[in-house]
Amino acid sequence: GQQVMQIPQYQHVQEGEDFTTYCNSSTTLSNIQWYKQRPGGHPVFLIQLVKSGEVKKQKRLTFQFGEAKKNSSLHITATQTTDVGTYFCAGREGGKLIFGQGTELSVKP
Amino acid sequence: EAGVVQSPRYKIIEKKQPVAFWCNPISGHNTLYWYRQNLGQGPELLIRYENEEAVDDSQLPKDRFSAERLKGVDSTLKIQPAELGDSAVYLCASSLRGAGAYNEQFFGPGTRLTVL
Repeated sequence: GQQVMQIPQYQHVQEGEDFTTYCNSSTTLSNIQWYKQRPGGHPVFLIQLVKSGEVKKQKRLTFQFGEAKKNSSLHITATQTTDVGTYFCAGREGGKLIFGQGTELSVKP
Repeated sequence: EAGVVQSPRYKIIEKKQPVAFWCNPISGHNTLYWYRQNLGQGPELLIRYENEEAVDDSQLPKDRFSAERLKGVDSTLKIQPAELGDSAVYLCASSLRGAGAYNEQFFGPGTRLTVL
């Protein structure tokens, strides 16, 4: 079955540094979603990418979907302490989402 | 608008005991999901409902897990008997419909289950 892998598992940055997490699928995805989970919280939807090569921005967050629709990335520019949490990508297989294992981001002030 | 409601928030039981979780999705959301999230991992789908019908239960351990969604609204997930390895956070999520391209999932706060 489909597998979704994320790297790195953990990332520790100084406030103001950039952060990137990468997501790779074993199969071509119809679309990909990104979620953020704060410590002790539940996943919250950030964005969905559908088109090959698509790039979307939300303030300091930039999301990309690969040309082959098998990989995706999330880049945060100039991290802030409010960015702390775990970022999950989730690829669609049929009617369900397959979540990656997440990248846990910690930000040192 | 209220979000997805789950109860209880925490549950501690001894192994071999039964346990049940309840979920009330966002009003109007036809699709309901139950996920299990182990520490340090992403959510794993257990079962997906479209209205009252369980359309994907391939990941549900049917020997001990059961779920129902009577009337296509609230849902319950049951484990009987619980095992030590069932300790996890059980998340309920809902979306407007399952097959559409734009169907973000709204997650509830989860139930943290500890099996002793």
